[in-house]
Amino acid sequence: GQNIDQPTEMTATEGAIVQINCTYQTSGFNGLFWYQQHAGEAPTFLSYNVLDGLEEKGRFSSFLSRSKGYSYLLLKELQMKDSASYLCAVMRKGAGNNRKLIWGLGTSLAVNP
Amino acid sequence: EAGVAQSPRYKIIEKRQSVAFWCNPISGHATLYWYQQILGQGPKLLIQFQNNGVVDDSQLPKDRFSAERLKGVDSTLKIQPAKLEDSAVYLCASSLGVTAYNSPLHFGNGTRLTVT
Repeated sequence: GQNIDQPTEMTATEGAIVQINCTYQTSGFNGLFWYQQHAGEAPTFLSYNVLDGLEEKGRFSSFLSRSKGYSYLLLKELQMKDSASYLCAVMRKGAGNNRKLIWGLGTSLAVNP
Repeated sequence: EAGVAQSPRYKIIEKRQSVAFWCNPISGHATLYWYQQILGQGPKLLIQFQNNGVVDDSQLPKDRFSAERLKGVDSTLKIQPAKLEDSAVYLCASSLGVTAYNSPLHFGNGTRLTVT
């Protein structure tokens, strides 16, 4: 089957580091995306991983282990504006050339002063 | 580049009425998606177009929902008749296409639908 698990809620303090985990089970794995979604707004693209390892983009980094079906999003030097929902989405390659995104339910991160 | 445009931003209707949403994707993006997002959940794919053809509509409630992308550019999503459980945000997204496998989706601001 296809399944994506991530924690429902997390809390962290301004200036700290937080790691949001995502585990997945799917056939035809073809990459993993992280999106940020502020309340009442549309999701915005943060990162994409298709090979094992760490991708760094400023304060945000994303890690992937395909053998473990595991990814995490690392947020450093947390700011109040980082309070949002973080969505993990796995790209699955199906029949023909069709690729489908499977979405997690999102992790709601609250950053406190 | 201009982003994905959606309208209306908000819509309130009574159950059994009909409603339509419009989306204009980023220029040059071949793939267009309509998602339904209920508060506190991840987006649920309703339909995916590649140019003007349907790639995936397996989760579209076809007895009441319909969508078209006639010229392979903008798209409309219609609900007729609406039910209370259709209250959600309807997100349109676009991407370069299946050949650009790592092409991220770009989302519009969504239409918040309330069915009373």
